[in-house]
Amino acid sequence: DTGVSQNPRHKITKRGQNVTFRCDPISEHNRLYWYRQTLGQGPEFLTYFQNEAQLEKSRLLSDRFSAERPKGSFSTLEIQRTEQGDSAMYLCASSLAGTGHIQYFGAGTRLSVL
Amino acid sequence: AQSVTQLGSHVSVSEGALVLLRCNYSSSVPPYLFWYVQYPNQGLQLLLKYTTGATLVKGINGFEAEFKKSETSFHLTKPSAHMSDAAEYFCAVSDQGAQKLVFGQGTRLTINP
Repeated sequence: DTGVSQNPRHKITKRGQNVTFRCDPISEHNRLYWYRQTLGQGPEFLTYFQNEAQLEKSRLLSDRFSAERPKGSFSTLEIQRTEQGDSAMYLCASSLAGTGHIQYFGAGTRLSVL
Repeated sequence: AQSVTQLGSHVSVSEGALVLLRCNYSSSVPPYLFWYVQYPNQGLQLLLKYTTGATLVKGINGFEAEFKKSETSFHLTKPSAHMSDAAEYFCAVSDQGAQKLVFGQGTRLTINP
């Protein structure tokens, strides 16, 4: 068990560029979550998968955001046409269904949009 | 809609003193409640959780929390603070049927030597 892994740890991009983040969950976990955390705030839910199915999306997830989990293992979060307001820490978490909603978090990807 | 309020964005205590971090929630159904800790440049680590059963929950690193339904509270305590407790603490709630966590704004705990 190597924990939840996120790559890259840091990403600096220019406004208007596309970025993609990757999350590798704990190997046997079938649920995967994405959250966004801005400075001085708690994490806010973006979306979640059970296996490869995306079951819930937050209103925060605009059309420029897309998440996938093609084989029910790793997940990617893509932001198109980045804006300065997208600057935040993007956190991934995973859990195993039936274990009391315990989510295990990765270290996050910090995005800075210049 | 669920919400979480953490009273005090910054709490400072002396080493060896009692730590009390406050959390109040709103939920229309019996919730699941969590406390997470975040150290700089790291992800969130689960301290403790309440789902059902005993309302006094013990967690890691000597922390505990008590679920008080009548007060809609889930305050986090530790009898004696240690320098290594300095971090950001987040209270979170989820509905029993929901998957997402709703977090409070966090409380930054500083320990004075």
